[in-house]
Amino acid sequence: GDSVTQMEGPVTLSEEAFLTINCTYTATGYPSLFWYVQYPGEGLQLLLKATKADDKGSNKGFEATYRKETTSFHLEKGSVQVSDSAVYFCALSGGSRLTFGEGTQLTVNP
Amino acid sequence: SAVISQKPSRDICQRGTSLTIQCQVDSQVTMMFWYRQQPGQSLTLIATANQGSEATYESGFVIDKFPISRPNLTFSTLTVSNMSPEDSSIYLCSADGTASTDTQYFGPGTRLTVL
Repeated sequence: GDSVTQMEGPVTLSEEAFLTINCTYTATGYPSLFWYVQYPGEGLQLLLKATKADDKGSNKGFEATYRKETTSFHLEKGSVQVSDSAVYFCALSGGSRLTFGEGTQLTVNP
Repeated sequence: SAVISQKPSRDICQRGTSLTIQCQVDSQVTMMFWYRQQPGQSLTLIATANQGSEATYESGFVIDKFPISRPNLTFSTLTVSNMSPEDSSIYLCSADGTASTDTQYFGPGTRLTVL
């Protein structure tokens, strides 16, 4: 079945540092890929998505590229802020069904 | 995208009681979903709710414990029945987008504590 694996966390960075959160997936067919973010005490917000190979999703300075050859969708941001502190979930969609990774807790210190 | 609200936002309940969670979407959607997020964990799909048909439950979840209603295209409820402390979790509702059915939009969640 479909599965998503995220890098083990938590991740702690200083403000303005470069961020990478790794995500790899296993799926049949050609899934859409997503990053969701969950701020403390809130629900999930869609951060970005990509629907086919080599697509790059981007939003709020975050980027991720759909790499079919490496089955990866790593999340990157060039300069993180304290306000980026949250839990980040990688997910894939096989039709209408979402499969989530374990989540990565990011803490950004001033 | 769809804007989703949930009620209540949080509750503290006694063992053996039931709680019904409401989910309202600001537009008509085909599919609505209910998830459970246990403390510090990822999301687990409980069931998929389509209007006009019975909900489809995932392995490990049963209708007697988590009855779901979907009376129209903008509303759904999840009931957590005969609660125990193990049911303490965040319960999240989501819906597919009207423009893109492979994308789900989430409500703010209901934080449930069972004593």
